Amino acid sequence: GNSVTQMEGPVTLSEEAFLTINCTYTATGYPSLFWYVQYPGEGLQLLLKATKADDKGSNKGFEATYRKETTSFHLEKGSVQVSDSAVYFCAGVLGGNQFYFGTGTSLTVIP
Amino acid sequence: KAGVTQTPRYLIKTRGQQVTLSCSPISGHRSVSWYQQTPGQGLQFLFEYFSETQRNKGNFPGRFSGRQFSNSRSEMNVSTLELGDSALYLCASSFDSSSGANVLTFGAGSRLTVL
Repeated sequence: GNSVTQMEGPVTLSEEAFLTINCTYTATGYPSLFWYVQYPGEGLQLLLKATKADDKGSNKGFEATYRKETTSFHLEKGSVQVSDSAVYFCAGVLGGNQFYFGTGTSLTVIP
Repeated sequence: KAGVTQTPRYLIKTRGQQVTLSCSPISGHRSVSWYQQTPGQGLQFLFEYFSETQRNKGNFPGRFSGRQFSNSRSEMNVSTLELGDSALYLCASSFDSSSGANVLTFGAGSRLTVL
């Protein structure tokens, strides 16, 4: 069935380290893919999106490329900051009009 | 423009009671979805409403229900509360989620504690 699977956390990095959070999906067709971020005490905010294969979404130094051949949408950032500490969710519109979310990956960046 | 507004932000109930949560979507958004977020289960889809009709439903018992009004505002109700219903309930709106290009915009959530 349709699903989104993302890397388990928690992830702890030092400031300025490189970040990768893996995300893969299972679906038929060509889903739209998203990364959302949730800061403590808040709802989810859209971080970036890609709607077709080979699209690259980017925002605030984060990037993710829609790879149809590997059904992946990994999130990357070259140099994380303490303010990036949050929970990151991969999501996709799979099998029609329903959003599917991954389980979330908690990131803590230490100075 | 105003974002998605959820009320109340925090509430405490006891087992067996019922609760109603409210969500006002972004102006012009016609789709409202509800999610339950818990540390153990992550983000789980409850249901989605579009033009006052439930369009999708997750795998939750009948104690969980919702509705949408003509102005797109939505409410969800949980009856006969159980301890396991303690969670952050998130509402999200979109213009029409049937288009993959539309994104969900989330509210800050209603945190329910059941004692």
